[in-house]
Amino acid sequence: SQQGEEDPQALSIQEGENATMNCSYKTSINNLQWYRQNSGRGLVHLILIRSNEREKHSGRLRVTLDTSKKSSSLLITASRAADTASYFCATAAYNFNKFYFGSGTKLNVKP
Amino acid sequence: ETGVTQTPRHLVMGMTNKKSLKCEQHLGHNAMYWYKQSAKKPLELMFVYSLEERVENNSVPSRFSPECPNSSHLFLHLHTLQPEDSALYLCASSQDLTGRPEAFFGQGTRLTVV
Repeated sequence: SQQGEEDPQALSIQEGENATMNCSYKTSINNLQWYRQNSGRGLVHLILIRSNEREKHSGRLRVTLDTSKKSSSLLITASRAADTASYFCATAAYNFNKFYFGSGTKLNVKP
Repeated sequence: ETGVTQTPRHLVMGMTNKKSLKCEQHLGHNAMYWYKQSAKKPLELMFVYSLEERVENNSVPSRFSPECPNSSHLFLHLHTLQPEDSALYLCASSQDLTGRPEAFFGQGTRLTVV
């Protein structure tokens, strides 16, 4: 399967703490993306990292990619209650922009 | 607003009904997707269209029938569904290989089959 698999399935932290989510995948990729989904709504793109990149930052988000281990991590620093959502990684292969998602990590940030 | 609009937002249908889900994008993208999201399962890629041509059909039952009349519109026609087809159906669009490779999603249609 090309699907990304997120870990942990659920994460509960206090506001102000950092949240780390991991993603593993099985096949070669062109890029890996992280998305966020608020309950019962569509997914929103957060950040993309290409296969030749190792780390990327966007505001409070930091993404790393280790292609040798076929894994990625998403770090949200100084979390806020508004960060409560499900987070998904998506992999895209070289031949087309087909996006394969995992089951997501459900993040709960307690105020 | 992501530029991708899905209608209706909620749909309840009987197993013998025929209904259609609609997706419209105003982003100038040329690839459109249907995903199915069931509780505690990965998002399931159902169909992919590129330049109005179907390029992916992930072993989806024939009771789901997609239609892409132009690059801005995508439909999912439903008939004789089963209760296990109840899920959130998400439409997305993106550029092809030459564009930015990120997907823009609609808000989804929450489908309940009774």
